[in-house]
Amino acid sequence: GEDVEQSLFLSVREGDSSVINCTYTDSSSTYLYWYKQEPGAGLQLLTYIFSNMDMKQDQRLTVLLNKKDKHLSLRIADTQTGDSAIYFCAEKEGSQGNLIFGKGTKLSVKP
Amino acid sequence: GAGVSQTPSNKVTEKGKYVELRCDPISGHTALYWYRQSLGQGPEFLIYFQGTGAADDSGLPNDRFFAVRPEGSVSTLKIQRTERGDSAVYLCASSFSGVEVTEAFFGQGTRLTVV
Repeated sequence: GEDVEQSLFLSVREGDSSVINCTYTDSSSTYLYWYKQEPGAGLQLLTYIFSNMDMKQDQRLTVLLNKKDKHLSLRIADTQTGDSAIYFCAEKEGSQGNLIFGKGTKLSVKP
Repeated sequence: GAGVSQTPSNKVTEKGKYVELRCDPISGHTALYWYRQSLGQGPEFLIYFQGTGAADDSGLPNDRFFAVRPEGSVSTLKIQRTERGDSAVYLCASSFSGVEVTEAFFGQGTRLTVV
């Protein structure tokens, strides 16, 4: 079945860039997503990319998609302490539209 | 309301009891999803409704779990004979359509604890 893998932890210093990586298995995925979850809070959609795109930039966020390698990354420029959260990569299951999530990467930002 | 609303926000129940979790989607959203998020894991798909019908219930773990959406709006997730392993955050999401629309909006979740 479909699977989404991502590293579990990332620690960076405030002001540095963060790069969170993800691999997925379903080549038919139409959209790929990055969600943010802060402690005790719901899932917040950060950004998404359509599968025919290589890159998408949205303010401090840059998403890169390598469809051949089924690799997705999220770069956060000038990381702030408020960016500390768990970041989930997700792919959209083709036929029904439900999302398949990775286990999440916990980003810790040190001042 | 402006967003997806889930009630209760927290539920503690004894093993073996029956529980119902409610989701009020965004008005006009025809697609509704239930997910379960266990500690340290990403959300896992349970069931998808398009309108009133369950279009895909393949994620329901066993027959103790059931969900309804009788009028195509509010949905209720029902768990019979709860077990400690059912403890998790149950998330609901809605969108205008299952496939074409890019964004599903999530509620804050119901934290279920089975003791």
